[in-house]
Amino acid sequence: GAVVSQHPSRVICKSGTSVKIECRSLDFQATTMFWYRQFPKQSLMLMATSNEGSKATYEQGVEKDKFLINHASLTLSTLTVTSAHPEDSSFYICSARGDMFQATSGNTIYFGEGSWLTVV
Amino acid sequence: DAKTTQPPSMDCAEGRAANLPCNHSTISGNEYVYWYRQIHSQGPQYIIHGLKNNETNEMASLIITEDRKSSTLILPHATLRDTAVYYCIVRSPIYNQGGKLIFGQGTELSVKP
Repeated sequence: GAVVSQHPSRVICKSGTSVKIECRSLDFQATTMFWYRQFPKQSLMLMATSNEGSKATYEQGVEKDKFLINHASLTLSTLTVTSAHPEDSSFYICSARGDMFQATSGNTIYFGEGSWLTVV
Repeated sequence: DAKTTQPPSMDCAEGRAANLPCNHSTISGNEYVYWYRQIHSQGPQYIIHGLKNNETNEMASLIITEDRKSSTLILPHATLRDTAVYYCIVRSPIYNQGGKLIFGQGTELSVKP
């Protein structure tokens, strides 16, 4: 299947600072990318959907000013957690979808490895 | 989004077939059934998807009932590495919010020696 990579895989930051997580599609052009967060022993919760070159669409209850999403190219999306607090500590996962005519990915959604964020 | 219902947990003996059921009684005609699995502390892994017909790939088989209200994921010869949480997801078409995936609670499959 297609490859999606996230960086960093683990990050620790101080409360009040901002942290950026990158999501890259390595072998296909990602028309759309999705960001999720997951707390221990819980399922994935969709945070937002982003399309290349346009503003992200946030799910209800997700603060768009706190979780800044940029999808500036067809292979890169970033999630910035601003003014992080300990309650933002979580596993953040991105996923990406190509368009249905791409041989590598079709319109199947592929996930990155996830990024663990710990705010101290 | 159509919702799915899965048993919270299942056990399977190593080498035997694992049959994971999923109910999706409110599925619409243009919605696909997707299966992903998540091994602890990793991102979900795509397994298989289908619309009406049964599907098979190198990982698994997907059996969809004729009325499309339920499906079964079959891992033909389960190994210890198949221990994971398996998610059955009904996915909206791409023109509907990009075809996003909404995860339920999934089935925690434990493959035992």
